[in-house]
Amino acid sequence: EPEVTQTPSHQVTQMGQEVILRCVPISNHLYFYWYRQILGQKVEFLVSFYNNEISEKSEIFDDQFSVERPDGSNFTLKIRSTKLEDSAMYFCASSEGVAGELFFGEGSRLTVL
Amino acid sequence: AQRVTQPEKLLSVFKGAPVELKCNYSYSGSPELFWYVQYSRQRLQLLLRHISRESIKGFTADLNKGETSFHLKKPFAQEEDSAMYYCALSPVEYGNKLVFGAGTILRVKS
Repeated sequence: EPEVTQTPSHQVTQMGQEVILRCVPISNHLYFYWYRQILGQKVEFLVSFYNNEISEKSEIFDDQFSVERPDGSNFTLKIRSTKLEDSAMYFCASSEGVAGELFFGEGSRLTVL
Repeated sequence: AQRVTQPEKLLSVFKGAPVELKCNYSYSGSPELFWYVQYSRQRLQLLLRHISRESIKGFTADLNKGETSFHLKKPFAQEEDSAMYYCALSPVEYGNKLVFGAGTILRVKS
């Protein structure tokens, strides 16, 4: 069964460093998403992406964040200058349609020291 | 503002007992409601959505617009149902911009 894959599974970085989290969505899916979950808190929507542009973003998704689909398969989340409060599990998801079932990756745990 | 409330952090039941995981939501428009499940060491996956009206793995959930609830029920719990369950809401006009509840851990004891 096709799956969303995410790399790395865990990344430790120093505050102020740039981080890129990578995702390979399911191949025939057209909509891509990033969610995050700070330890002990709710899963929160960050951004949705369709047709090579952001379709929705939350207040969390400020200028420090960016997303890109650099080629036909990868979908990346970049955090330009990480802060301690960016430490979280970041989930990538994809769906076939705008309101279709979301398929999640296993998550990338980011630890900012 | 949209909000999803799952009042129980942990629900512990014996095998064969009925299960009800509570979910209440707050949204002024027409939401779509979902239950997602995360089994130990696995990814988040969709369990069911209110528009499909299906029963998945014996679980059902009915949208009650009057009480703004979407409780998840199963008449007879099984040990393999032990997992984290998240209720989520998506405003119809915003596609898959899900708002999640805090989640409820279901533990089914033998």
